[in-house]
Amino acid sequence: DQQVKQNSPSLSVQEGRISILNCDYTNSMFDYFLWYKKYPAEGPTFLISISSIKDKNEDGRFTVFLNKSAKHLSLHIVPSQPGDSAVYFCAAKAFNSGNTPLVFGKGTRLSVIA
Amino acid sequence: DAGVIQSPRHEVTEMGQEVTLRCKPISGHDYLFWYRQTMMRGLELLIYFNNNVPIDDSGMPEDRFSAKMPNASFSTLKIQPSEPRDSAVYFCASSLAHRVYEQYFGPGTRLTVT
Repeated sequence: DQQVKQNSPSLSVQEGRISILNCDYTNSMFDYFLWYKKYPAEGPTFLISISSIKDKNEDGRFTVFLNKSAKHLSLHIVPSQPGDSAVYFCAAKAFNSGNTPLVFGKGTRLSVIA
Repeated sequence: DAGVIQSPRHEVTEMGQEVTLRCKPISGHDYLFWYRQTMMRGLELLIYFNNNVPIDDSGMPEDRFSAKMPNASFSTLKIQPSEPRDSAVYFCASSLAHRVYEQYFGPGTRLTVT
């Protein structure tokens, strides 16, 4: 059973517009969430994270929103650029799990069209 | 720093053959992870090490898979015998102990078993 779900396998957005990537989770013990970005033929790279004590974290064009009651987080990219075209993975770790590794979603492929 | 290094980048082998994937983590990192990525299952954790000691191998699919970390700068993932369903991209990642959730991934090894 998937604890981290990315229900949209793909998303296409026009350059300059907002990209919104969604992620849902089922484990209420998750306390830290991350987004990773992956280009073809490369490994995933860390993009942005958020602690469960916050509901928003912003880094340049990237903002992650967390809605704990809905067990939902989203990544907003504004404005979207062609170089943002990649697969985005949502990941989570559980509270008080020590160094238990991350649980990843299946990813969403974002295509930004020029 | 060169980042996480994996070899080979591509491996094509016949069913029944032994396959060995190699990984050199980032120097100074305490944790090393092996992941497998497939279309169906996304990014799955196979096994991880802390200070060269295997901590959790519950993600290893079956006894045909084994992993070792003889020292802090080298790890191997071996599949023997290989099967067509093992075809996937295998990633190695490493991290620091105090930021274990921010993992640095290698470029991956694309394995094709015919």
